[in-house]
Amino acid sequence: NAGVTQTPKFRILKIGQSMTLQCTQDMNHNYMYWYRQDPGMGLKLIYYSVGAGITDKGEVPNGYNVSRSTTEDFPLRLELAAPSQTSVYFCASCREGAGALHFGNGTRLTVT
Amino acid sequence: KNEVEQSPQNLTAQEGEFITINCSYSVGISALHWLQQHPGGGIVSLFMLSSGKKKHGRLIATINIQEKHSSLHITASHPRDSAVYICAVRRNEKLTFGTGTRLTIIP
Repeated sequence: NAGVTQTPKFRILKIGQSMTLQCTQDMNHNYMYWYRQDPGMGLKLIYYSVGAGITDKGEVPNGYNVSRSTTEDFPLRLELAAPSQTSVYFCASCREGAGALHFGNGTRLTVT
Repeated sequence: KNEVEQSPQNLTAQEGEFITINCSYSVGISALHWLQQHPGGGIVSLFMLSSGKKKHGRLIATINIQEKHSSLHITASHPRDSAVYICAVRRNEKLTFGTGTRLTIIP
């Protein structure tokens, strides 16, 4: 099992560009999450999904969109990138209920 | 006040010392997670607790639901334990994270 796979690992965007961060898991987990981690701050929830076809906003959803067309994939879309979106992004998954969390390796995004 | 508070924020200790990291939370939860983030950035799940105590190797995690408090202990600490330790609480489908405790173990 590969676990949770995130791509790319690094990306530099110019202001106003758009991109998609990919996340896929092969553990048949229903719950998937996108977080951002800023220096000195805890992980903040952007969006989450409790199953294919179901997504919901977290604490900091503005400027982002997600989709969950399959159990395996949960891509995060940035439209009109802004410097405030410079951060490290983590995708995570777990079984329904109180399952252990599995994280991807993160994507370091810089918007200049 | 944050829903999840960790203490201390930073901790430096000598190799071999017994380490305690604390996590307090303010809401009802269904589970609490302890995570480890190494300097390379990857995040690994250490424990998931809903009651009592769990042990894995030199790591021990405890939780007191009534007091809304959890502790992570490391016995016989080693430089490879140097990392950021993060507490997260689960409430329904969502997780709320503490800001982490940066642990440095000096040889």
